[in-house]
Amino acid sequence: KNEVEQSPQNLTAQEGEFITINCSYSVGISALHWLQQHPGGGIVSLFMLSSGKKKHGRLIATINIQEKHSSLHITASHPRDSAVYICAVKETSGSRLTFGEGTQLTVNP
Amino acid sequence: EAQVTQNPRYLITVTGKKLTVTCSQNMNHEYMSWYRQDPGLGLRQIYYSMNVEVTDKGDVPEGYKVSRKEKRNFPLILESPSPNQTSLYFCASSLSIRGARGYEQYFGPGTRLTVT
Repeated sequence: KNEVEQSPQNLTAQEGEFITINCSYSVGISALHWLQQHPGGGIVSLFMLSSGKKKHGRLIATINIQEKHSSLHITASHPRDSAVYICAVKETSGSRLTFGEGTQLTVNP
Repeated sequence: EAQVTQNPRYLITVTGKKLTVTCSQNMNHEYMSWYRQDPGLGLRQIYYSMNVEVTDKGDVPEGYKVSRKEKRNFPLILESPSPNQTSLYFCASSLSIRGARGYEQYFGPGTRLTVT
């Protein structure tokens, strides 16, 4: 079992839909990252969370430390949101990031 | 502009021919790392560096070497590449990795390596 599990693996939505991607982890963490990988391959950091909730434009990320779970929400989805979304955690002890396998999101017009 | 650069972006080589992929960041970051990305396996860490002359193995270090002689550069060396090292490679950096808080990760554009 992976230390970081994402669901769903693949998600297809219609433009305008509300989207949720989930990330569960099994270790104690000090921070959780949400990353976006564009179709061309580049990776950008969307959020870094250690508690609570963060919002940036149409993107919202939440984390529940007790339940070891985080969600990434996209409101009013758009075809340009089509990408792979990756969750990564930094364990409380240690100096590395552990990644989930990613969620492939396709938003159709 | 704050960035992480990698070169080359694409490389096709043959088994056994030594190669180096360069990585450079201009943000004075302490922490640098190399990852490989393979279908169905996600990103896996190869090596990381906490600072100059401080490097350590990640999850999949076999067949790779690194060095950190300067803060800005963190090259990845494949002494004798094999076909199972065909992959998409990313370099990343962050201000630090220590302590209770996390730091934003900055990724390079990726290097697509094919070993025949």
